[in-house]
Formats: sequence, C-alpha cells, structure tokens
Amino acid sequence: DQQVKQNSPSLSVQEGRISILNCDYTNSMFDYFLWYKKYPAEGPTFLISISSIKDKNEDGRFTVFLNKSAKHLSLHIVPSQPGDSAVYFCAASETGANNLFFGTGTRLTVIP
Amino acid sequence: GAGVSQTPSNKVTEKGKYVELRCDPISGHTALYWYRQSLGQGPEFLIYFQGTGAADDSGLPNDRFFAVRPEGSVSTLKIQRTERGDSAVYLCASSPTTGNTEAFFGQGTRLTVV
Repeated sequence: DQQVKQNSPSLSVQEGRISILNCDYTNSMFDYFLWYKKYPAEGPTFLISISSIKDKNEDGRFTVFLNKSAKHLSLHIVPSQPGDSAVYFCAASETGANNLFFGTGTRLTVIP
Repeated sequence: GAGVSQTPSNKVTEKGKYVELRCDPISGHTALYWYRQSLGQGPEFLIYFQGTGAADDSGLPNDRFFAVRPEGSVSTLKIQRTERGDSAVYLCASSPTTGNTEAFFGQGTRLTVV
C-alpha cells in the first residue's frame, strides 16, 4: 500500500515558467518530508526538506509547501531551467524513524 | 570522490545464483541504508545500519536477503538463490547522523536475474 503518492507521472514546462510538483501522503505519523531529484544512471540527489512544524521552506529557486490537514506537499521551481529536467521523488519519514517512504516519481521536462 | 560508491554498477546473474553488492559510504557517516528500486517505482527501504549493527531490517523481503557492515563502514548486501523478481536497482545511502537528515545516495547497482 503506497503511503506516499505522486499522481502525475510526468510534467512539461516552458523554460522560465513555474514548475509545480505535487505529492500526497496517507500516514499521519509522517513528520519530515524531502524532495529528491534523479538523473538517469545516477542515484537520487537531495533537493530540499521540510519538517511538519513548518508549512513552507525555501532554498533559492526551490520552495516546498506543506499542508498537513490535506496531507499534501508541493515543490515549486521558479524559474524553471532545462537543467531541472529529471525525475523528482517525494519522500517522508515518521518520528524517530530512519527509513524513507518514497513516491513513484514525476518526470519533469523543461522545454527551452 | 567523496560520494557514496557502489560496486558493481551492473550485475547480471542466473536464477538461483548468489550475489553480493557492495557499498562504500561517505567517510565518517555512521548511518547506512539500502533501498531497492523496481522499474517505475520509487526506492523501497530494505535495511538500515547504525554503526556495525542493523538497527532496522524490516524492509528485507525474505530470508534470502542479508546485509552486513562488519567494521561500521563498507556494507555488503547479499542475496541467495536469486529470483527473476529480484531484478531491480539496489541503492545505498549514507548520512552523518540518524534521524531527520537527508541521506546521500550512491548511483546504484542494477541487478538483472535471467
């Protein structure tokens, strides 16, 4: 049973515009959320994280929003760049746990 | 390089054979994780080491899978009597501490069981 869901397998965005990637979760015990980016033939690379005590975390062009009541988080990339084209994974962990639960990923294509 | 290193990068084996997958974590990282990623899926947790001990092996699918980290650094994931369903990318990650901290992943070992 998938506890972290990314319902959009793919997303295409024009360069310079905003990319919004969405993630939903079912486990109310999750309290830490991360986004990873993955290029082909490479391992996932950490991008940004957010604790459940916050509703927003920003790092340069990347902002993660958390809506605990809706069990939803999103990653905003603005402005999008062609180098952002990759598969993005949402992940979550429970309090005190060390393993991550990943979504199935969203392939982002930024069109020059 | 200073990243997590996994060897081999690709492994093809026959059904029923035994395989070992190796992970060299980032120097000084005490926590080490193994994940498995099947086609079209996200990584799935297998096992977590804190130092030399397996602190959580709840993700290992069955007793054909075993992992060790005898000196608290390099880890080996061992799969006995491989099955075609074991085909996947096996990812290793490490982090400097436990708890809510991002893990750094290696490039993975693609295992194909024929």
